[in-house]
Amino acid sequence: AQKVTQAQTEISVVEKEDVTLDCVYETRDTTYYLFWYKQPPSGELVFLIRRNSFDEQNEISGRYSWNFQKSTSSFNFTITASQVVDSAVYFCALGDTGRRALTFGSGTRLQVQP
Amino acid sequence: DADVTQTPRNRITKTGKRIMLECSQTKGHDRMYWYRQDPGLGLRLIYYSFDVKDINKGEISDGYSVSRQAQAKFSLSLESAIPNQTALYFCATSENERGNIQYFGAGTRLSVL
Repeated sequence: AQKVTQAQTEISVVEKEDVTLDCVYETRDTTYYLFWYKQPPSGELVFLIRRNSFDEQNEISGRYSWNFQKSTSSFNFTITASQVVDSAVYFCALGDTGRRALTFGSGTRLQVQP
Repeated sequence: DADVTQTPRNRITKTGKRIMLECSQTKGHDRMYWYRQDPGLGLRLIYYSFDVKDINKGEISDGYSVSRQAQAKFSLSLESAIPNQTALYFCATSENERGNIQYFGAGTRLSVL
């Protein structure tokens, strides 16, 4: 069975602080995919990034960066110089190669205070 | 216009009522999914469909049924709604490929009284 754990239920930071959201996963698949989604207060789910299990390179996109470490089964997400607009619930998800459905973590609510 | 449209956006119903949530997409994707979101639990898979003739149960399908009327339409029904089905429901679509990115609708907030 697949499992995604986001141990941080809620994080509160002050604007311009850096913040890291943790994600740990479990799977028996040798090929799998990891995702991060953002859910702003308006409620929709916005895709942020996809990473496959063969690509352990870190990725940076503007203020966002992702650290994928297969050895620790982690796929952490860092926001640099956080902004109020980053306030949202962030979900880490694991995609299997069978159903192609996603197994979601329970989410981390990030509040960025001005 | 949104690529994945869910209707209604909000619904309040009573215990025992039958209710249908609808999802339509203009992305041309074969795969469609229904998830349920509860506070502190993330999203959980209810049903998924790889094409019009293929329907599969997810982890929490009890009390739900689905219909894939066309490639673009995937409906979720609660035959006899109960209060613990109060949740935020999401429809998603994806292409038929490995590592498929799923694109979500705006969600339907359902309250069963």
